[in-house]
Amino acid sequence: AQSVSQHNHHVILSEAASLELGCNYSYGGTVNLFWYVQYPGQHLQLLLKYFSGDPLVKGIKGFEAEFIKSKFSFNLRKPSVQWSDTAEYFCAVNAGVNTGFQKLVFGTGTRLLVSP
Amino acid sequence: DGGITQSPKYLFRKEGQNVTLSCEQNLNHDAMYWYRQDPGQGLRLIYYSQIVNDFQKGDIAEGYSVSREKKESFPLTVTSAQKNPTAFYLCASSIDIGTGRGTDTQYFGPGTRLTVL
Repeated sequence: AQSVSQHNHHVILSEAASLELGCNYSYGGTVNLFWYVQYPGQHLQLLLKYFSGDPLVKGIKGFEAEFIKSKFSFNLRKPSVQWSDTAEYFCAVNAGVNTGFQKLVFGTGTRLLVSP
Repeated sequence: DGGITQSPKYLFRKEGQNVTLSCEQNLNHDAMYWYRQDPGQGLRLIYYSQIVNDFQKGDIAEGYSVSREKKESFPLTVTSAQKNPTAFYLCASSIDIGTGRGTDTQYFGPGTRLTVL
């Protein structure tokens, strides 16, 4: 079965620090990759996604992620975090590519706390 | 405003009672999904529906049931058979899943927090 691993369950950073959240998946076929974010009291929303092409994808609010196929990884990065980035971040993998159904497999999430 | 609505936001039920969670979308999306979110476990798929009058079990369907009589509605019933029903439930939808590309983004509702006493 496909699985997604997020290595850091809790991350605490000061404002302006750089962020990198790890995500590894176990599926060997073609995948689509997503990062979702859940701000306190808000809906889960899409941060960025990778389908094909340039493995470095840029999302909203200055976030980016790099797909490294050889490492089965899709790490999320931001050069300088803000207090408003405090949220829970979920990596997700679509293991249903080319099957006509998008079944997402989610990681366990990383809670990021940015102190002002 | 287009989006996904879930009601109620908080729900309390006594053990042994069935309870139905509402999910409505006005995005004209074909597919709808129910997830369960527990602390430290991420989101797990309960049921999904690719089209009206059709639905399939996800990874943790035991103790749950759904219906899809209308495109915009996908209610979830948590039955008394669900051994640990207290959780945060999220509904999602996506468009055009029949493309075969599997590339459609899922959009999520605000969730319902169910507490069984």
